[in-house]
Amino acid sequence: DTGVSQDPRHKITKRGQNVTFRCDPISEHNRLYWYRQTLGQGPEFLTYFQNEAQLEKSRLLSDRFSAERPKGSFSTLEIQRTEQGDSAMYLCASSPVEGSGLTFGAGSRLTVL
Amino acid sequence: RKEVEQDPGPFNVPEGATVAFNCTYSNSASQSFFWYRQDCRKEPKLLMSVYSSGNEDGRFTAQLNRASQYISLLIRDSKLSDSATYLCVVMGGNTPLVFGKGTRLSVIA
Repeated sequence: DTGVSQDPRHKITKRGQNVTFRCDPISEHNRLYWYRQTLGQGPEFLTYFQNEAQLEKSRLLSDRFSAERPKGSFSTLEIQRTEQGDSAMYLCASSPVEGSGLTFGAGSRLTVL
Repeated sequence: RKEVEQDPGPFNVPEGATVAFNCTYSNSASQSFFWYRQDCRKEPKLLMSVYSSGNEDGRFTAQLNRASQYISLLIRDSKLSDSATYLCVVMGGNTPLVFGKGTRLSVIA
């Protein structure tokens, strides 16, 4: 499979717990993006990487959120002390160069009880 | 003013109809434009890029008007399988892609 892979696909957790999502981009793509999407809304930008460098973070990304891409390949998004408002679909996408369209993974759906 | 605005719809059209969606953007420095399609509970998928001269892909035509800062998507001869949410996407300068909320289309038999 040469697409963008995300794991887990679904996560149900209790408020206050930490969760981590993983994204494996298309191997030739050096740009990796994280977006969040809630019902009835378009995807909202969270952060993106070019290789291992995190180039931009949205103000939506509070101190409880952290993302890494240590070797410029896969990336992780961690949410600490989850809140009910964190319930959303977390989408990862990758692209080969700036200005090109993104290829999305199937997403990781988070439900915080 | 939001960065990217779309009419949320829904647009309910009969099979075979022609339907058009518009999208406005606020950043005049925007350089790249796309339409994405998103099916219910699925990830967005790139439908087509939008070029300054306008471009066509089968039944789909995209146009860009930089002076008025809007892009459009025209779907001719609508099929049931065209039912989805269509997301307008804009990239300005060095900023990542910004998505609109999407326009929902239902094609009815």
